[in-house]
Amino acid sequence: AQSVTQLDSHVSVSEGTPVLLRCNYSSSYSPSLFWYVQHPNKGLQLLLKYTSAATLVKGINGFEAEFKKSETSFHLTKPSAHMSDAAEYFCVVSRSLDMRFGAGTRLTVKP
Amino acid sequence: DTAVSQTPKYLVTQMGNDKSIKCEQNLGHDTMYWYKQDSKKFLKIMFSYNNKELIINETVPNRFSPKSPDKAHLNLHINSLELGDSAVYFCASSKTQDRLAGEETQYFGPGTRLLVL
Repeated sequence: AQSVTQLDSHVSVSEGTPVLLRCNYSSSYSPSLFWYVQHPNKGLQLLLKYTSAATLVKGINGFEAEFKKSETSFHLTKPSAHMSDAAEYFCVVSRSLDMRFGAGTRLTVKP
Repeated sequence: DTAVSQTPKYLVTQMGNDKSIKCEQNLGHDTMYWYKQDSKKFLKIMFSYNNKELIINETVPNRFSPKSPDKAHLNLHINSLELGDSAVYFCASSKTQDRLAGEETQYFGPGTRLLVL
């Protein structure tokens, strides 16, 4: 069985400051891990994915995430937030046909 | 050059009606999915088809019936719509070979916002 927990339902940062969105996972196997972003009234867009290669994964729009097996975490970071980063972010754990979404973290960026 | 498209984008209808949502992907993928996203943004998988064959059927009322006429299309028909069916429905697709290799990436459509009155 797999599960994913996004530790914050809402994160608010100021423009230009770092972003940290936290995700912990549980899986009996070596999972694939993803971050998706959903802008208001839009579909989900893949930000980045980890599939057992490099543990530090770089994605689009300056985001990156680090897979830490010892901590069962896959936190998403960005050095400097932009207004356009305001969206809902989903952490996803996947193994074969079993794809589990986290509850989402809403990121607000203040000017 | 849309990858995964859904129609309609918005659907407002009365309780008890029957409606369909269509999904098409031009990525050459052979696995397709339907997800339901509720008002709290929680995403739940409903169905998955691989090469027109149903492979995932989560606990979904049998008023929901998916149909896959070919690998590029997965439609969702909903009978006797209820208030609780109001949600955003997302279609997604992926490559079976990537899934089997543990490297599946799902590509999502823009969503269909269904409101049942």
